[in-house]
Amino acid sequence: KNEVEQSPQNLTAQEGEFITINCSYSVGISALHWLQQHPGGGIVSLFMLSSGKKKHGRLIATINIQEKHSSLHITASHPRDSAVYICAGHNAGNMLTFGGGTRLMVKP
Amino acid sequence: DTGVSQNPRHKITKRGQNVTFRCDPISEHNRLYWYRQTLGQGPEFLTYFQNEAQLEKSRLLSDRFSAERPKGSFSTLEIQRTEQGDSAMYLCASSLVVKTSGYNEQFFGPGTRLTVL
Repeated sequence: KNEVEQSPQNLTAQEGEFITINCSYSVGISALHWLQQHPGGGIVSLFMLSSGKKKHGRLIATINIQEKHSSLHITASHPRDSAVYICAGHNAGNMLTFGGGTRLMVKP
Repeated sequence: DTGVSQNPRHKITKRGQNVTFRCDPISEHNRLYWYRQTLGQGPEFLTYFQNEAQLEKSRLLSDRFSAERPKGSFSTLEIQRTEQGDSAMYLCASSLVVKTSGYNEQFFGPGTRLTVL
């Protein structure tokens, strides 16, 4: 069983909608990356967080350590936000365990 | 600094052939990671280096796979006797670890997409 689980696997939204992607993780993971992957493979790091909340532009990431849950929110979504969003957990060895990804499509 | 680079970006090979990929990390990054990603899945850890030392290998890394980072800078990943199941995107990432505790952001390369016919 993967230590990091994401939902939903696929998400279609209309431009302007508020989007939430969820990530649950197991014991042993104490910090999370949120990553964005566009077609063609390139991965960009969006956030790394171990507590609280971070915001960058229209993106907001939150983490609840007690519940072992993190969410990525996109406000005022745009077609250019269409990508695969991956959460990845840091373990004690500073290595990443990845979720399966959420494929987001934002329609104009 | 141009970020993490990987070469080649695409490789098509016949089953049974050997292939080698290269990763150049961000300058001064002391840690380098290799991951594999199959279609529709998240990446999976393969191995990582702290400077030139290979510190951990996943059970996914069979005997046909070997990775090196001889001078603690660039790294190579070689797959011998390729199989169709090796077809995947091979991703490299690097980070600067300044202390053993804490979490260090990893920066990813564009990946090498391998197709084994």
